[in-house]
Amino acid sequence: AQKVTQAQTEISVVEKEDVTLDCVYETRDTTYYLFWYKQPPSGELVFLIRRNSFDEQNEISGRYSWNFQKSTSSFNFTITASQVVDSAVYFCALSEASSPFGNEKLTFGTGTRLTIIP
Amino acid sequence: SAVISQKPSRDICQRGTSLTIQCQVDSQVTMMFWYRQQPGQSLTLIATANQGSEATYESGFVIDKFPISRPNLTFSTLTVSNMSPEDSSIYLCSVEPGRETQYFGPGTRLLVL
Repeated sequence: AQKVTQAQTEISVVEKEDVTLDCVYETRDTTYYLFWYKQPPSGELVFLIRRNSFDEQNEISGRYSWNFQKSTSSFNFTITASQVVDSAVYFCALSEASSPFGNEKLTFGTGTRLTIIP
Repeated sequence: SAVISQKPSRDICQRGTSLTIQCQVDSQVTMMFWYRQQPGQSLTLIATANQGSEATYESGFVIDKFPISRPNLTFSTLTVSNMSPEDSSIYLCSVEPGRETQYFGPGTRLLVL
């Protein structure tokens, strides 16, 4: 069975500091997908990134970057120069590509509540 | 991506009643998913709904409690039946256009008194 662990329940940093959110996953499949979603206080879930198991290149998007390490089954997310608008709950998720229709269900971690202090 | 709307956005209901949540997508999609997020918790998949077939429920969720309809490729409903306070949650639908990423609706915040 697949599992996603986000050990950090809550993190608080002062604005402009860098912060890394950890994500460790477990799966028996060789083909799988990893995701990060942001849930601001309004409640909607915002897609941030998708990474497949064959692509270990790190990704950078503005102040956001992601480090995928297959050897340690980790997919960590770093926010550089954090801003108050980054305050949200961040979820890491995993899906296994076992269906001909596409990815199967998402298994979510328990989320990390990030608070940026102005 | 996809634009997803849900109705209602929030509701307060009495125990023992039922609520039907609607999910509308701006494009045709094969699979639609319904998730529950209990207060302060992560998201848990309730069921997967494909058009033209019965929904597939995850362990711990049953059709009598959460009946789902999927009449076409852009619409689905989830009913929360015979509600109790434990059903107070955010209910989210999601879709997966193009076999890549699941996009989520804005959610329905349900409070059961």
